[in-house]
Amino acid sequence: GENVEQHPSTLSVQEGDSAVIKCTYSDSASNYFPWYKQELGKRPQLIIDIRSNVGEKKDQRIAVTLNKTAKHFSLHITETQPEDSAVYFCAAKNKAGTALIFGKGTTLSVSS
Amino acid sequence: DAGITQSPRYKITETGRQVTLMCHQTWSHSYMFWYRQDLGHGLRLIYYSAAADITDKGEVPDGYVVSRSKTENFPLTLESATRSQTSVYFCASSEVFGRGNTGELFFGEGSRLTVL
Repeated sequence: GENVEQHPSTLSVQEGDSAVIKCTYSDSASNYFPWYKQELGKRPQLIIDIRSNVGEKKDQRIAVTLNKTAKHFSLHITETQPEDSAVYFCAAKNKAGTALIFGKGTTLSVSS
Repeated sequence: DAGITQSPRYKITETGRQVTLMCHQTWSHSYMFWYRQDLGHGLRLIYYSAAADITDKGEVPDGYVVSRSKTENFPLTLESATRSQTSVYFCASSEVFGRGNTGELFFGEGSRLTVL
């Protein structure tokens, strides 16, 4: 089945710096890659997603890039703020295309 | 509009006991999912359902049972709880998800289960 690897597991940055989280997937047929953010004690929520026919997608300070050849995709957060501190999960669809398989998460800490 | 709700939010039980975690959504979403969240493992898929009376195994289904007799409910039962099932359990739903489609997963608030 699909396997999603996520790195790093923890990331600490200073406010205003950029943060990059990377994920790789195993199933070359995967075509949908969302990112979820989970604040402490809260539920995960979708922040951005990308489909396989697009190489990059931006939404204000966040962007996702996809390299289908290398089977990896990345989340980029620019001008980080303390409220960006959270756990971020990447995901890809399972082999049947009917559920999401998540990476193990990255704990991002933004210090002011 | 309650959205998606889980109950109980917190549960302490003993090994060998049966426990049922409830999940209810008011959107009539077709797809529903159960994940468990553990430190170092992220979110792991237990079971999911594409519609009423249709369920499928995820990554870690052993020790769990699900049912979906009604579209809005997707209970998760631990038939004989073990300490390794201590975790935070998240239910999620999606309006459009299956093969060829994409859709946002809406998560419940989670149920924290401790098995002593």
